[in-house]
Order: sequence, then structure tokens, then C-alpha cells
Amino acid sequence: GAVVSQHPSWVICKSGTSVKIECRSLDFQATTMFWYRQFPKQSLMLMATSNEGSKATYEQGVEKDKFLINHASLTLSTLTVTSAHPEDSSFYICSASVTSGRAPKTQYFGPGTRLLVL
Amino acid sequence: GIQVEQSPPDLILQEGANSTLRCNFSDSVNNLQWFHQNPWGQLINLFYIPSGTKQNGRLSATTVATERYSLLYISSSQTTDSGVYFCAVNKAAGNKLTFGGGTRVLVKP
Repeated sequence: GAVVSQHPSWVICKSGTSVKIECRSLDFQATTMFWYRQFPKQSLMLMATSNEGSKATYEQGVEKDKFLINHASLTLSTLTVTSAHPEDSSFYICSASVTSGRAPKTQYFGPGTRLLVL
Repeated sequence: GIQVEQSPPDLILQEGANSTLRCNFSDSVNNLQWFHQNPWGQLINLFYIPSGTKQNGRLSATTVATERYSLLYISSSQTTDSGVYFCAVNKAAGNKLTFGGGTRVLVKP
């Protein structure tokens, strides 16, 4: 139980294009989803908190116009990297927070999306 | 914000050995989780342990909230235990996780 999926698992794109990453909670409802970025051999850094039906809350230093987040339902959040540049190449990971039933505030993580911008 | 420090940063073990990983945090927390990130990047929940002791197979964890640290014990390590172990915490009234720097574990056959 508590499975989170991400799509795509990896993507290669040209500089200047936009890339959309989907995060789905498969067997539970999540009012809150989180987006993280991880550079090689580093820890996870929180980018933004996404609440269903409201605007995302971005961490300091994260450009909200560049990383567009939409959380339209209790099982789906999307992250769009707009006008991607090589420095946006990274491993993007989402997580979902269980709202009821299981241990509250436990976050379950998706498998991640590797983005390479050429 | 809250600081989370993990030690050691790197650990090389011979298969069958036991080890202890430590996580120190700078403020009171209402959630602490341990994760294992496998070589493909997937984070696997190991423990939700804001306080007390839990065991799951060869792994166990103890959090002493009043002293602001948590320990993860790996017993009889196997090569499949290789990867990076992260602890992450969130403060009271918040749900954002702050991750430590991780401990990179390599178990040699």
C-alpha cells in the first residue's frame, strides 16, 4: 500500500523546451504532495509543497514561474519545468502525505524522474 | 530552519557485519523518518519513528526525542543493504521534511 508513481521516469529534452512530470498516489488520497530535487551525491532539497485545490507554496530560491505546480485532484500533482536549461538537469522526486488511515504525516515517495536538458 | 546531521557520511561494511547510523537534529520534531535510497533512486520508507524503538527484520531504529537524535541499526548486513540512508524530520505544526545529508553504505561480499 501507499504507492506513489511518477511519469516519465526519465526525459531528455532540448534547452528552451518545457517538460511536465506527473506524480500520482495510486492507492490513497493525498491532500498534500511535495516536490524535491536531488543533484548527484547530494541530499533531497524541497522545492515546493502542493495542496489540492490551492496554489503551491515554494521554498526560498525556487522560481515559481519556472517550476509550475498543479494539484488538481487528490491523486495527481504535476510539475512543469518551463524553458528548461542545462542547469535544470536533475533528479526530481515527488512525495505524497497520507491524509487518513495510516500513520499521519508519513510521506511516501515516488521513484523519481531524471531530467537531462541538452 | 532545523538542521539535520547524519554520521558517518560513508560506511563500508563486510557482508554480515553490524552497523549503527546516527541522525542528530537541532530542534524538537513531531516526525522523524528513515529512508533507504536504492541505486536506482527510489526512496523506501524504513521507519516512521518520532520517538521510541521499532524493529523490522534486520533493521531497527531508536529515537530519543529529548536528546534530539535517532539511531538506525543494521544487523547482519547484506549486499542489498547498499545505498544511501537518509533521516528526515519535520517540526511541530508542519509537514515539510528536512533531510539530513545521508550516509552512503557499501556492503562488500
